Amino acid sequence: QQPVQSPQAVILREGEDAVINCSSSKALYSVHWYRQKHGEAPVFLMILLKGGEQKGHEKISASFNEKKQQSSLYLTASQLSYSGTYFCGTENGAQKLVFGQGTRLTINP
Amino acid sequence: NAGVTQTPKFRILKIGQSMTLQCTQDMNHNYMYWYRQDPGMGLKLIYYSVGAGITDKGEVPNGYNVSRSTTEDFPLRLELAAPSQTSVYFCASRDRGRYTEAFFGQGTRLTVV
Repeated sequence: QQPVQSPQAVILREGEDAVINCSSSKALYSVHWYRQKHGEAPVFLMILLKGGEQKGHEKISASFNEKKQQSSLYLTASQLSYSGTYFCGTENGAQKLVFGQGTRLTINP
Repeated sequence: NAGVTQTPKFRILKIGQSMTLQCTQDMNHNYMYWYRQDPGMGLKLIYYSVGAGITDKGEVPNGYNVSRSTTEDFPLRLELAAPSQTSVYFCASRDRGRYTEAFFGQGTRLTVV
């Protein structure tokens, strides 16, 4: 029931791009993306709804393929502040929000 | 605006003891959630609630209980603490509607010895 994220970890140099994927075995109503810094609470980045609507961070983009139950988060021209663990959360319409295992992103100067 | 407030921030329990983790939100959100996060791992849903008086099990509910008597409060009860419950516990809340993101509390770090 938990979504599956890939890759589990990514190491980049500042300015490089990254893609984080999220897939579910169940039909989805929405996909959420959050970032967690070490020792802190997760913070909202984006939400994507079935039907193509989305809301979120200006500098981060994401896609949602409803037929495949997959979402991808695109981090372009990464900055040091992008470091952290990224979680996708999925909802199947019953307000039950479950998260994947996370993707740890490290940005080096 | 305080948002989601969790207390305590840290707690050490002995095996077999009981405790209640408190969670309060001042945003009048209908949906509330409890997650646990083991070191280096993801967020596992314990229980959630879609409104006062309504609760439902998540992925890992065993060993926990919840209640939701008011919109603001969603306490999590551990009845007989076990070492496997050592974790960081996060409470979150969301508003009703299509675009609603979750707001997380700062977490409670629990150690069972």
